[in-house]
Amino acid sequence: ELKVEQNPLFLSMQEGKNYTIYCNYSTTSDRLYWYRQDPGKSLESLFVLLSNGAVKQEGRLMASLDTKARLSTLHITAAVHDLSATYFCAVDKRALSGGGADGLTFGKGTHLIIQP
Amino acid sequence: DAGVIQSPRHEVTEMGQEVTLRCKPISGHNSLFWYRQTMMRGLELLIYFNNNVPIDDSGMPEDRFSAKMPNASFSTLKIQPSEPRDSAVYFCASSSPDNEQFFGPGTRLTVL
Repeated sequence: ELKVEQNPLFLSMQEGKNYTIYCNYSTTSDRLYWYRQDPGKSLESLFVLLSNGAVKQEGRLMASLDTKARLSTLHITAAVHDLSATYFCAVDKRALSGGGADGLTFGKGTHLIIQP
Repeated sequence: DAGVIQSPRHEVTEMGQEVTLRCKPISGHNSLFWYRQTMMRGLELLIYFNNNVPIDDSGMPEDRFSAKMPNASFSTLKIQPSEPRDSAVYFCASSSPDNEQFFGPGTRLTVL
């Protein structure tokens, strides 16, 4: 059974600081996704990481994937209040199934609060 | 594109009643997914379809749950009979091959 673990689950930080959210998963996969969810809203796609060593950046967020370590990180640089949200990583089992599109297994999410 | 469309957005019903949730995927996407989100269990995959064919329904919690995709532009998730523990936000998502899943706004279901 594929398991996805995020840490921390809760993070309160001040504006201007840097921090990293970690996502570990239990079995081989080379497809990892990061989503953002605001309270009462749906999930917004942030990053798609499709190979070992993949790194993607958008504004103050940067995501990376190490498939050998089964680890992805989401780094926040110089945090601003607007980044307050819950961040989810999710793993696609496709590498295991070998088939077409597959469902995602999500971590529990990291609830991020950025205080002025 | 309007994105993934779900209806209703909110549903309040009584235990024992039938509930039908609806989803229209993004045009051109050939995969459709149903997820459920609760505080206790987080986000769970219920079932997904590729090219209108159900591929994996192992996440469907009980026989009370069923899903159909009669054509490429419409899917339903039905709960019959509903129970209070079914209360959750149900998301539909769609994707094209090798791309991320795009989520609909969700249906917030409350079973009294």
